[in-house]
Amino acid sequence: AQRVTQPEKLLSVFKGAPVELKCNYSYSGSPELFWYVQYSRQRLQLLLRHISRESIKGFTADLNKGETSFHLKKPFAQEEDSAMYYCALRGSSNTGKLIFGQGTTLQVKP
Amino acid sequence: KAGVTQTPRYLIKTRGQQVTLSCSPISGHRSVSWYQQTPGQGLQFLFEYFSETQRNKGNFPGRFSGRQFSNSRSEMNVSTLELGDSALYLCASSKTGTGYTGELFFGEGSRLTVL
Repeated sequence: AQRVTQPEKLLSVFKGAPVELKCNYSYSGSPELFWYVQYSRQRLQLLLRHISRESIKGFTADLNKGETSFHLKKPFAQEEDSAMYYCALRGSSNTGKLIFGQGTTLQVKP
Repeated sequence: KAGVTQTPRYLIKTRGQQVTLSCSPISGHRSVSWYQQTPGQGLQFLFEYFSETQRNKGNFPGRFSGRQFSNSRSEMNVSTLELGDSALYLCASSKTGTGYTGELFFGEGSRLTVL
């Protein structure tokens, strides 16, 4: 079964602390993994995708196929990073069907 | 470039009624997907339309249906509403073909309350 698990509903850190939002997936094949973010009163938007291997707003995520994980990391959290983060999986290429995790609320305290 | 537009933004219905939600994708995007978002179940895929054809379908009962028009605008319909259908319904569009990146562009959603 295709599944995405984000074990933490809430992650609270202080400004300047490192952040790691966990994501584990279950999929038999080679999925595409994404992180989407929803800031307060904004639309859900793409943060980054594993295939591009880029760093966006200081965030990076590495796909670990052995551990079936795609954790999101940032070395120094900023208050503006406070948001809801969703890990998502796409099994088939070129479709709009994503399987989302339950989401993790990141709260960065001053 | 205008983003994905969903109408209406809010609506209240009673059990047994039916509802139609509308979605206008970003110009040039031919794929439209629908998601249901609830506190308990999170974001769940409903269906996807591409070139007026349903390309994918999630695990929802037949009361949930959709369609896409030749201009890529899409509608979804829920018949015989139940209390559990109360949710935020999100529409997302994506570019296909050359330049496809897999990114979905989401609308602000239609918040449905069933009483």
